[in-house]
Amino acid sequence: GESVGLHLPTLSVQEGDNSIINCAYSNSASDYFIWYKQESGKGPQFIIDIRSNMDKRQGQRVTVLLNKTVKHLSLQIAATQPGDSAVYFCAENIDSGGSNYKLTFGKGTLLTVNP
Amino acid sequence: GAGVSQTPSNKVTEKGKYVELRCDPISGHTALYWYRQSLGQGPEFLIYFQGTGAADDSGLPNDRFFAVRPEGSVSTLKIQRTERGDSAVYLCASSPYSSYNEQFFGPGTRLTVL
Repeated sequence: GESVGLHLPTLSVQEGDNSIINCAYSNSASDYFIWYKQESGKGPQFIIDIRSNMDKRQGQRVTVLLNKTVKHLSLQIAATQPGDSAVYFCAENIDSGGSNYKLTFGKGTLLTVNP
Repeated sequence: GAGVSQTPSNKVTEKGKYVELRCDPISGHTALYWYRQSLGQGPEFLIYFQGTGAADDSGLPNDRFFAVRPEGSVSTLKIQRTERGDSAVYLCASSPYSSYNEQFFGPGTRLTVL
């Protein structure tokens, strides 16, 4: 079965607000968790990843938090802009016998930014 | 620089026909992946190439699906005797060797089987 899932399928925010997208996972063996952004008609685009031995990682306007106790992952986007409107996927990478190239994606959250 | 390109962007075929989907990865990327994405779902892994060989084809749903990468660059996903359930967006991605988390995706080929 699918081990990466989403709390909320849709999220609507006002431009300039902060956005938080959540993801639950069930596989404790995951080595990395990754966030991808997919705009309409395009392929997914890498945003940020976090190794399983970390709790927090920051990028440009984004922060990923990992809570291994409750198996929860979140992506925070600061000062959300209309260009952030997209579907956001969390994915996991499990290094099982050298197969760390295989990403398992969740269903995604649709983020809509209102001007 | 140029990203991953996929052709055709759309393909409509009839049940039972054979189709080929092409992927041109980013130059120099040795790793190439195919995924399938159904409406409202995340991409689902199909096959992984490292160089010319298919290192892992465990995601191919059945033996009607086959992919090649004869010169370690362009890849073709081949589907025989297409079925309506094969309708989906087929995504190709590439990455430098061992940079597995950051995969560069193409725009996909939307396959519709009537």
